[in-house]
Amino acid sequence: NAGVTQTPKFRILKIGQSMTLQCAQDMNHNYMYWYRQDPGMGLKLIYYSVGAGITDKGEVPNGYNVSRSTTEDFPLRLELAAPSQTSVYFCASSFTGDQPQHFGDGTRLSIL
Amino acid sequence: AQSVTQLDSQVPVFEEAPVELRCNYSSSVSVYLFWYVQYPNQGLQLLLKYLSGSTLVESINGFEAEFNKSQTSFHLRKPSVHISDTAEYFCAVAPGGYNKLIFGAGTRLAVHP
Repeated sequence: NAGVTQTPKFRILKIGQSMTLQCAQDMNHNYMYWYRQDPGMGLKLIYYSVGAGITDKGEVPNGYNVSRSTTEDFPLRLELAAPSQTSVYFCASSFTGDQPQHFGDGTRLSIL
Repeated sequence: AQSVTQLDSQVPVFEEAPVELRCNYSSSVSVYLFWYVQYPNQGLQLLLKYLSGSTLVESINGFEAEFNKSQTSFHLRKPSVHISDTAEYFCAVAPGGYNKLIFGAGTRLAVHP
């Protein structure tokens, strides 16, 4: 009963490095989302996808890229890490846009 | 533009006392309203939602929230809290659908013995 699985749980990057945050869901959900959560602030939507091959920008997409080659996976890529991207990243999924979102446990990313 | 304001960043309360977490929103269109709970080092879990119909909605663990359209509020209440309710609570709105949630900054509920 995995639900939404995010890896890694923690990561420290140097400025300018790149990395991919992984997100997988086993609920056959069509919609998937990436959020970032900064201290004292709510979650902000980075990118979302309504199905394999379809992605769209959210509120704060700059500095990130996504792809959705399968229904199950929705990786988030940081190409040139910057200190402003230090945050906790959450992946979520839902069956349709009218269903509640299920969240993963998050990836805590620090960029130094 | 839609926005969500949670009026208290932290709410300390003693066990078995009542609690209210306040949420106001602004929107020019009809919205769906949600409360999510986040326990330490975990993702968010849906606590309750308002889509339409009765303005009072309840969760399975004793929380309730009331949609007040005239005051654009969706406050969360519980008549008697437990230590296990200690968590961060997020109010969210979705204008026209679930797929673009707008979150408030969160309220940290700390229940003390």
